Amino acid sequence: KNQVEQSPQSLIILEGKNCTLQCNYTVSPFSNLRWYKQDTGRGPVSLTIMTFSENTKSNGRYTATLDADTKQSSLHITASQLSDSASYICVVSHRQAGTALIFGKGTTLSVSS
Amino acid sequence: DAMVIQNPRYQVTQFGKPVTLSCSQTLNHNVMYWYQQKSSQAPKLLFHYYDKDFNNEADTPDNFQSRRPNTSFCFLDIRSPGLGDAAMYLCATSRGQGSIGHEQYFGPGTRLTVT
Repeated sequence: KNQVEQSPQSLIILEGKNCTLQCNYTVSPFSNLRWYKQDTGRGPVSLTIMTFSENTKSNGRYTATLDADTKQSSLHITASQLSDSASYICVVSHRQAGTALIFGKGTTLSVSS
Repeated sequence: DAMVIQNPRYQVTQFGKPVTLSCSQTLNHNVMYWYQQKSSQAPKLLFHYYDKDFNNEADTPDNFQSRRPNTSFCFLDIRSPGLGDAAMYLCATSRGQGSIGHEQYFGPGTRLTVT
């Protein structure tokens, strides 16, 4: 069964600290993996998208890694800010025609001062 | 700025009273999607349009319908909302169909409350 599992479910960190969010998937065949940031009451906004051959991709203070062999991805946030408080959703695409995006349930990150 | 716009942002309707949610896009994308997202859950795809071709997900209730009169606009119609239909409804667009490389751009969502 094609699934995307994220951990932890929620996380609280102090402003300025780093954190890492995890994503494990069983989607096969795999096409690409995306990380979205969703602020409360807003739509998801894309942070990164990685294909099978990419190991690391950065977007400012966000760095995503991908290990397609172990089917794991991580999102590392450096020097967190209060505005990083949001839900981070891992989304994996099926390698087929169509719209098959498999969503994780997200990690809720709270950054406190 | 090119974007995906949803109106209204908040919608309150009564049990059983038809309601329509609106989505428009200035990206000129071929594909438009409607997702339902309940609290603390992942978005669930309801259906999508590739140009004028409508594609319904197998488990989308008949209570949900959609219209796409032109490239820019897409509507979600809920014929007889039930309390279980209260959710955030997200519209998204992509340049092409197929998951390979076709980034989906999401609108801000419409929060639907059913009383």
